[in-house]
Amino acid sequence: AQSVTQLGSHVSVSEGALVLLRCNYSSSVPPYLFWYVQYPNQGLQLLLKYTSAATLVKGINGFEAEFKKSETSFHLTKPSAHMSDAAEYFCAVSLNTGFQKLVFGTGTRLLVSP
Amino acid sequence: KAGVTQTPRYLIKTRGQQVTLSCSPISGHRSVSWYQQTPGQGLQFLFEYFSETQRNKGNFPGRFSGRQFSNSRSEMNVSTLELGDSALYLCASSAGRGIETQYFGPGTRLLVL
Repeated sequence: AQSVTQLGSHVSVSEGALVLLRCNYSSSVPPYLFWYVQYPNQGLQLLLKYTSAATLVKGINGFEAEFKKSETSFHLTKPSAHMSDAAEYFCAVSLNTGFQKLVFGTGTRLLVSP
Repeated sequence: KAGVTQTPRYLIKTRGQQVTLSCSPISGHRSVSWYQQTPGQGLQFLFEYFSETQRNKGNFPGRFSGRQFSNSRSEMNVSTLELGDSALYLCASSAGRGIETQYFGPGTRLLVL
């Protein structure tokens, strides 16, 4: 069965600093990987997704992630944090099937200080 | 296009009651998935409906059920509510073919007293 591990339930950065949120996956077949963001009292918004095309995926709001099969990782990065990036971020995996089932990590709350 | 809408946004129920939550997908989307989000268990998949048929089900007791109508709108029902059912219930829609982006609604926050 596939699973996702997000290291660090909280990550704190200063405004303008690099953001790095870690995600490792476990899957017996090539996975499809996603990063979602959740702002307080809202649903989930897709940041980016990997579907076996380019290994470096660019998303919205300046975020990007690199799929590394050898490390089973899909870490999320942003060169320069903004205050508005403060939110909870979820990594998710889905099998290459027609079923729309996402398996989520436990989430990482990003705190951005001025 | 209008996004995924969920009603009601907030609910307070007491133990033993039942509750029905509603989800309207994005126009043209035929797949609706439901997720439960709690501080302890995180985001967990409940079930997915496509063209009025349940295609996939998560590991939840039979008290959790759902259905989908011909217009793709979906409802989920929880019977005999327990305190542990307090959660944010999220609905997501997609076209339903292959691995596609799921678009999430704002959720329904259920509090069971």
